[in-house]
Amino acid sequence: GAVVSQHPSRVICKSGTSVKIECRSLDFQATTMFWYRQFPKQSLMLMATSNEGSKATYEQGVEKDKFLINHASLTLSTLTVTSAHPEDSSFYICSARGQGTGELFFGEGSRLTVL
Amino acid sequence: GEDVEQSLFLSVREGDSSVINCTYTDSSSTYLYWYKQEPGAGLQLLTYIFSNMDMKQDQRLTVLLNKKDKHLSLRIADTQTGDSAIYFCAAGGSARQLTFGSGTQLTVLP
Repeated sequence: GAVVSQHPSRVICKSGTSVKIECRSLDFQATTMFWYRQFPKQSLMLMATSNEGSKATYEQGVEKDKFLINHASLTLSTLTVTSAHPEDSSFYICSARGQGTGELFFGEGSRLTVL
Repeated sequence: GEDVEQSLFLSVREGDSSVINCTYTDSSSTYLYWYKQEPGAGLQLLTYIFSNMDMKQDQRLTVLLNKKDKHLSLRIADTQTGDSAIYFCAAGGSARQLTFGSGTQLTVLP
């Protein structure tokens, strides 16, 4: 089946630094990608929808200047957490929607720890 | 908007069948998905069903859809310890992103 790859799977950074997480669709072109945040033992919270070649659409309450999303190609979307703080520590998951059926496939997730 | 509800916990004995239930509110949702999440990992698509179907079977997995009641269930036959995970139900349309339930923690007891 379709594969979505996220990198890095784990990252630890110091407070105030920026961290970039990549989401790639490996065997299909993804016109739309989604970024989620998941707190321990909770469901996924949709952060933003990114469409190739246009600006991301952010959900209410998500700071677009803090969580920069770029979807520069049909196979790559990036999420940059700028000036990270300990409260940004979380599990970030991306998903990609292929053309046609609209199935959503998820990456393995990236665990961010901000010290 | 869409609201998806699931029970939080389910425990079964190894070898028994597991049934995880889910309800949704938006009758226009055409795609109904089940995902599995193991600790520390992302979501794995298990199976999905379109709203014009009543049932879908895939090896040990059976999905039942009652569109009238907006009720979806996932049955896992011969549940194994490796099936222990969180199972998320999600609903949405082809032009919209999915709405996820809170997840059901399945624990398989030996």
